Amino acid sequence: DIQMTQSPSTLSASVGDRVTITCRASQSISGWLAWYQQKPGKAPKLLIYEASTLESGVPSRFSGSGFGTTFSLTISSLQPDDFATYYCQQYNSFSRTFGQGTKVEIK
Amino acid sequence: EKQLVESGGGLVRPGGSLRLSCTASGFTFRGYAMTWVRQAPGKGLEWVSGISADGTDTYYADSVEGRVISSRDNSKYTLYLQMSDLRGEDSAVYYCARLQPVTGGGALDFWGHGTLVTVTS
Repeated sequence: DIQMTQSPSTLSASVGDRVTITCRASQSISGWLAWYQQKPGKAPKLLIYEASTLESGVPSRFSGSGFGTTFSLTISSLQPDDFATYYCQQYNSFSRTFGQGTKVEIK
Repeated sequence: EKQLVESGGGLVRPGGSLRLSCTASGFTFRGYAMTWVRQAPGKGLEWVSGISADGTDTYYADSVEGRVISSRDNSKYTLYLQMSDLRGEDSAVYYCARLQPVTGGGALDFWGHGTLVTVTS
């Protein structure tokens, strides 16, 4: 199975900061990577698919990049609503593994 | 308005069985592959199972292979997850989610709110 590793596990930041989360795959997944946001007690929400395509309705401060084995999610200017946990997920194979998550906390 | 509503969760003894359901509305259910994802308390997301739009192809995580069966009834707009030989590590919120309608299945673009399964003696 393809393993997905996110870093950092926790990120402390302030409103207005630019933050970047990294996700690495154990083997190439081309561009078949998605990013999700999850808030406590809620279902995850799709933010980005195919590594860099913004889902409809998602603010443009979110962006994704990468191909192959290394990917990143960037929030250009952190807003109060963005404090949440973020997960990457590969869908290159039928076994669609997630990263372990990155919690974005208020500094 | 599209909806996915999971049901069937609850308390079950180790070794027991449970069938989860996910009822869809507001979109053409038979046109979408579907998946189950779970989240143990305080933990991350774990993909559990996937099923093709017509139900002929199913996929399972190693952690549940041989103990769960994913199926669907497109006439009832319902997805199922039959779970057996349940263990403590199966305790989690179980979400159903819709895959983007692309060849091979895409990202998970719509999720239900989840149903809690607790395996305890």
